[in-house]
Amino acid sequence: AQKITQTQPGMFVQEKEAVTLDCTYDTSDQSYGLFWYKQPSSGEMIFLIYQGSYDEQNATEGRYSLNFQKARKSANLVISASQLGDSAMYFCAMREGYNTDKLIFGTGTRLQVFP
Amino acid sequence: DAGVIQSPRHEVTEMGQEVTLRCKPISGHNSLFWYRQTMMRGLELLIYFNNNVPIDDSGMPEDRFSAKMPNASFSTLKIQPSEPRDSAVYFCASRRLAGDEQFFGPGTRLTVL
Repeated sequence: AQKITQTQPGMFVQEKEAVTLDCTYDTSDQSYGLFWYKQPSSGEMIFLIYQGSYDEQNATEGRYSLNFQKARKSANLVISASQLGDSAMYFCAMREGYNTDKLIFGTGTRLQVFP
Repeated sequence: DAGVIQSPRHEVTEMGQEVTLRCKPISGHNSLFWYRQTMMRGLELLIYFNNNVPIDDSGMPEDRFSAKMPNASFSTLKIQPSEPRDSAVYFCASRRLAGDEQFFGPGTRLTVL
């Protein structure tokens, strides 16, 4: 089974609108961490946001927020007020368990923001 | 502050040649990660080090791949001999030992002809 599933290969959003990128995960560990990274066409990987499995509140970082639904094992990324510069690939990743630093990445969602 | 530095940024080589990729982590970061990104397999962890010690190398494809971290500010990933299927973007990332997020370098795009 896939550990991280991103079911949306591509998404379109109009500038200034909000968009949600889906991510579901599969783990039997109680302790884990969830991450979102952005990869623009230039290729670098940019860290966006982190959510720990024990965090009560949903993580927020500026225009990014993580909609964490533990029972559903989902960790969707919400980008508010989209900008043209948000056009990129977005990857969800999980660190599973206490005793590893290994990140497992999903296949990514390509977001296109249009004027 | 300088980010993670990788060299070279691009490498084109012929099958059978040795390839060495280099990485300088962010100063003060104790963990270093090597990833490979391909269209077929996505982004996958090859190996990571904590305090210069290899912790998990289960992602290293085969014996042709080796990685070292002789000190806290330098790591290498070596492929010998290289094969066309090794063509990919190789990322290095670093992290503070007590931190969560990994900071990625710009990557090395390797093409093996």
